[in-house]
Amino acid sequence: NAGVTQTPKFRILKIGQSMTLQCTQDMNHNYMYWYRQDPGMGLKLIYYSVGAGITDKGEVPNGYNVSRSTTEDFPLRLELAAPSQTSVYFCASRQDRWTEAFFGQGTRLTVV
Amino acid sequence: KQEVTQIPAALSVPEGENLVLNCSFTDSAIYNLQWFRQDPGKGLTSLLLIQSSQREQTSGRLNASLDKSSGRSTLYIAASQPGDSATYLCAVINPGGGADGLTFGKGTHLIIQP
Repeated sequence: NAGVTQTPKFRILKIGQSMTLQCTQDMNHNYMYWYRQDPGMGLKLIYYSVGAGITDKGEVPNGYNVSRSTTEDFPLRLELAAPSQTSVYFCASRQDRWTEAFFGQGTRLTVV
Repeated sequence: KQEVTQIPAALSVPEGENLVLNCSFTDSAIYNLQWFRQDPGKGLTSLLLIQSSQREQTSGRLNASLDKSSGRSTLYIAASQPGDSATYLCAVINPGGGADGLTFGKGTHLIIQP
């Protein structure tokens, strides 16, 4: 069982470039999340989804966009990369509010 | 707004010791609390999930307790081993917090000396 899979694992972007971070889960979970983790700051919620076609902003959504066309996939889009978006990004999923959350292995993004 | 604090921020102990990691939260209206382990450069691995109606959960050498009314949880690690070295994170799930998204503490960085 693969769980939550994120690609790529590492990426270097130049300022102003765009990219999509991929996330897929094979557990048929309804809820999916994107977090960023910065040193000394903990994990912050960027966007979330409670099901296909439904997304909403979290605590730090500026500079990002998401879509959820299927239950399995929840890509995160960076349109105009900025140095402030240098971070480690984690995707997570869970079935509902009562159950365990599972995390992917993360994408380490550097914007130069 | 929910805030989660973990104390201590870092801890170094000799192998074999029993130890306790602390987590406190400001809003007691939680659905549940989850403890994670994070190894350097890796993702988060779920250790234990405690529902708000439960007092504790056990998995092997790990025991997590929850006192919802006082806003505290502890993670007890028995007979620590060098392989337990990692950062331990606690997270709470509140009603309405971003699809019941998790609010994390900043973690306790644990080093077990051989």
